[in-house]
Amino acid sequence: SAVISQKPSRDICQRGTSLTIQCQVDSQVTMMFWYRQQPGQSLTLIATANQGSEATYESGFVIDKFPISRPNLTFSTLTVSNMSPEDSSIYLCSVAIGRDIVGELFFGEGSRLTVL
Amino acid sequence: GQNIDQPTEMTATEGAIVQINCTYQTSGFNGLFWYQQHAGEAPTFLSYNVLDGLEEKGRFSSFLSRSKGYSYLLLKELQMKDSASYLCAVVDSNYQLIWGAGTKLIIKP
Repeated sequence: SAVISQKPSRDICQRGTSLTIQCQVDSQVTMMFWYRQQPGQSLTLIATANQGSEATYESGFVIDKFPISRPNLTFSTLTVSNMSPEDSSIYLCSVAIGRDIVGELFFGEGSRLTVL
Repeated sequence: GQNIDQPTEMTATEGAIVQINCTYQTSGFNGLFWYQQHAGEAPTFLSYNVLDGLEEKGRFSSFLSRSKGYSYLLLKELQMKDSASYLCAVVDSNYQLIWGAGTKLIIKP
């Protein structure tokens, strides 16, 4: 397993501002992901954070809006840029620990953002 | 397109048994997961099925039929702490995780 710390746990932001979410893992992991979960909806993968290279974004998500850093194997940041009320959501960092089971993920506590 | 269907909400009584169904249509199949998510918390792994049949783990069991594109999560001897959302997720042929919207389970005394 892995212990994943995310901060901030929640924040209220003004429209047009940007916020950076940090994710710290207690062990080195290869696969780290950023998800968004809007109220009552499924988890949506934003991107895979790659160490030493640019993140891999899913359809509908772009680097200018959600820049991601991954300076090492234990840490990543996600920035939500130029926020609008539609960005109000829970943002979750998750990691896959090297196992035979593809898809067994461990999640951080999440960062609940409210954009006014 | 890819689709995971689960009931939005279910209600059950403490001590009883409940079955949460999940049907999927995905491009390929490389396994199905069930996650539990308490309100305001992160999802946690419950079970994994890749072959047909029943996987039992204590009070929780998960069943898979690949030919029917169907799974269920069976919770026995329900406790109040089982009140949570239960997420079904399928790994497709590209090893991408496709998530269902989750089933909110409400346990009543």
